[in-house]
Amino acid sequence: QSVLAQPPSASGTPGQRVSISCSGSSSNIGTNTVNWYQQVPGTAPKLLIYSNNERPSGVPDRFSGSKSGTSASLAISGLQSEDEADYFCAAWDDSLNVWVFGGGTKLTVL
Amino acid sequence: EVQLVESGGALVQPGRSLRLSCVGSGFNFDNYAMHWVRQAPGKGLEWVSGISRRSGTTDYAKSVKGRFTVSRDNAKNSLYLQMNSLRPEDTALYYCVKNGRVPAAMGDYWGPGTLVTVSS
Repeated sequence: QSVLAQPPSASGTPGQRVSISCSGSSSNIGTNTVNWYQQVPGTAPKLLIYSNNERPSGVPDRFSGSKSGTSASLAISGLQSEDEADYFCAAWDDSLNVWVFGGGTKLTVL
Repeated sequence: EVQLVESGGALVQPGRSLRLSCVGSGFNFDNYAMHWVRQAPGKGLEWVSGISRRSGTTDYAKSVKGRFTVSRDNAKNSLYLQMNSLRPEDTALYYCVKNGRVPAAMGDYWGPGTLVTVSS
């Protein structure tokens, strides 16, 4: 059972906008910033968003992040077939003194 | 170009030990905190351990605390994970992970991973 809760799956058609949620608590998302990672099957994860809404260089601006209270969200606009992957959220937990991850959301592009 | 290459993964029996290594290149290794993150087959990501730039601070997941030890040798651009008393539930792909310049940016680069299988 993951500390951060994500929906197991999400889907959309090319060009659509999809959103993936990540729910935590006051000791993690409520206090610290959220990161998002993309993992294409068979490859290592890639950092998509850090500090709630910052994109590393090279990440398209189709990807955006937001946070409110103890929840965060990743939005992908102009969905493309190559966006089909697993997406994970993560945050530092002040009570556990560890980084905690969500269970991951498998995004399917229909 | 930043590169992280892990090694040391193997098939080991429960109760035995294993040491993972990771060599970093393409960046000033001693300027960044480093982490180990694992992924059991078909499962999600689990942060295992982290170490500060000069080894002053180390942190561990509850599941490995007391059994695993993280260390680094900045002169060799290397990160290590000593794993003792291995259990079947430690079976996973272990990733070496670099922290970004911003402390919150955990995982701006990941290695391809090294597979640890614990089974009799």
